[in-house]
Amino acid sequence: DSGVTQTPKHLITATGQRVTLRCSPRSGDLSVYWYQQSLDQGLQFLIQYYNGEERAKGNILERFSAQQFPDLHSELNLSSLELGDSALYFCASSVGDRVWGSYEQYFGPGTRLTVT
Amino acid sequence: KNEVEQSPQNLTAQEGEFITINCSYSVGISALHWLQQHPGGGIVSLFMLSSGKKKHGRLIATINIQEKHSSLHITASHPRDSAVYICAVNPFGNEKLTFGTGTRLTIIP
Repeated sequence: DSGVTQTPKHLITATGQRVTLRCSPRSGDLSVYWYQQSLDQGLQFLIQYYNGEERAKGNILERFSAQQFPDLHSELNLSSLELGDSALYFCASSVGDRVWGSYEQYFGPGTRLTVT
Repeated sequence: KNEVEQSPQNLTAQEGEFITINCSYSVGISALHWLQQHPGGGIVSLFMLSSGKKKHGRLIATINIQEKHSSLHITASHPRDSAVYICAVNPFGNEKLTFGTGTRLTIIP
């Protein structure tokens, strides 16, 4: 158990809909990262938040958005869903605060999103 | 060309064999991570390396910064080691992880 929790575990929804995925980081971790893992693209970094502020952005679509709340949990919002958004969405957390440097990341169990 | 290349893509071995998985990258990095993803989907961080060698139980990870290459070794492999092993790097200047495509390891009893 990494200490990172994600809800829900599974989500099935229709094209065009909007969903929210939730992540609670390990106690004491200030950074939250979101990743997407699809069959054809592998793991891709989406976005990072540190202590409530956006820190780094990756291959995140404009239809997707995220935020980190004062209690440090984070939500990833996916809207106008398409079939290609079906994937595993992982959240990870780390202590990290510096832009320069690296920290071990602890992964949550993932949310499996199926868009039909 | 991907920034992170892993080989082999698939590996099947007998229980007890010594396993080596390789990772090459093309950018300057501040760290390299080895991750393990089990069939259920969960991801576990095995190692984070910026130089030299690390050992944890039967797993050993090495990195050669000059050659931009890392290896993950498993000694006395066991069926429970069957998983996808993923190499990921932190390019200099950010904490974004860039991932390899993974090596699917199957250990046969």
